[in-house]
Amino acid sequence: QSVLTQPPSVSAAAGQKVTISCSGSRSNIGKNYVSWYQQVPGTAPKLLIYEDNKRPSGIPDRFSGSRSGTSATLGISGLHTGDEADYYCATWDGSLTAGVFGGGTKVTVL
Amino acid sequence: QVQLVESGGGLVKPGGSLRLSCAASGFTFSDYYMTWIRQAPGKGLEWISYISDSGSTIYYSDSLKGRFTMSRDNSNNSLYLQIKNLRVDDTAVYYCARDGRGWPYHWFDSWGQGTLVTVSS
Repeated sequence: QSVLTQPPSVSAAAGQKVTISCSGSRSNIGKNYVSWYQQVPGTAPKLLIYEDNKRPSGIPDRFSGSRSGTSATLGISGLHTGDEADYYCATWDGSLTAGVFGGGTKVTVL
Repeated sequence: QVQLVESGGGLVKPGGSLRLSCAASGFTFSDYYMTWIRQAPGKGLEWISYISDSGSTIYYSDSLKGRFTMSRDNSNNSLYLQIKNLRVDDTAVYYCARDGRGWPYHWFDSWGQGTLVTVSS
């Protein structure tokens, strides 16, 4: 049972947009920045979004992030088959004094 | 370029011990906080621990505290994770990841390729 809650899967047609939610609590998302990671099976995760909505160099602006209250959202627009992967949200939990991840969301491009 | 290379994984019997290593290059290792994260087969990511740049501050996941010990050697640009009393449910790929410079950012911009630990009799 993950501290952060994500939907197990989302899907959309190529070219469309998906959003992935990440729900937490006051002690984690409510007080700390959220980051997002993309993981293609068999490879290490890759940082997509940090500090809620910032993109590292090389990450296209099709990827966007936001945070409000105790939830965060990752958006992926202009979907293509290369976006098929697992996506994880993460943050720090001040009550647990530990990092926490969401359970992951599998994105499928129809 | 930033590179993190884990090693030390393998097949271990329940109750055994293991020390994982992470060799860092391409950046000033002693400036950065570092983190260990694991992923059981077919499961999600699990945060294990982080260590400050100097090594003086370490935080662990409550569920793993006591069996896991994180350390670093800044003179050798290396990070370590000692695991004792291994259990079957410790079977996972273990990743080291770079955290913040000077303070914990709690996001990880570089990851190693991971090292697989299999605990089985």
